[in-house]
Amino acid sequence: SQQGEEDPQALSIQEGENATMNCSYKTSINNLQWYRQNSGRGLVHLILIRSNEREKHSGRLRVTLDTSKKSSSLLITASRAADTASYFCATDAWTSYDKVIFGPGTSLSVIP
Amino acid sequence: SAVISQKPSRDICQRGTSLTIQCQVDSQVTMMFWYRQQPGQSLTLIATANQGSEATYESGFVIDKFPISRPNLTFSTLTVSNMSPEDSSIYLCSVQEPNRPQHFGDGTRLSIL
Repeated sequence: SQQGEEDPQALSIQEGENATMNCSYKTSINNLQWYRQNSGRGLVHLILIRSNEREKHSGRLRVTLDTSKKSSSLLITASRAADTASYFCATDAWTSYDKVIFGPGTSLSVIP
Repeated sequence: SAVISQKPSRDICQRGTSLTIQCQVDSQVTMMFWYRQQPGQSLTLIATANQGSEATYESGFVIDKFPISRPNLTFSTLTVSNMSPEDSSIYLCSVQEPNRPQHFGDGTRLSIL
């Protein structure tokens, strides 16, 4: 299985602090994506990083990718209460068809 | 990005019955997928919905339990057959173009009594 694994499983921080979530995967990938899911809602795509990229930014989000270690991290800076959600990494790899496999997710709680 | 409409948004069903979930996309897309998210868990891929041919199922999922149709490039259905309480989950469809982000519908929250 190439499923990613997130670390930590749960994270609780104070508003204004930075939150870092890590993801590891097992096989070679084409892309790695990060998603957010608010409780009971659909998934929102945050960032896609390609295997030949090392870092991407989007607003307060910073994603890094280390293909030699098969790992990625998502950094949320200056966190807000509205960032409280579950965060998932997802990887896709070329097989006979593209498909995306999700990690177990990190539950982030930002305390006002 | 594509706009995905999934129906129904939620349902409560009796044990032994079947429910068909619809996924409509506002543009033609290459890849459509169906996922299950059990309570408190991550997403598990059920199958890839192939246009004009049988779906490709992941390990642990079979066509008799989760028949899928994809008659064209904008529409797919997933049926959850002979439901039991263990099928209570959120079912999500998603779409993706190669090397582009995958986008999700809002999901169908299914409860079986």
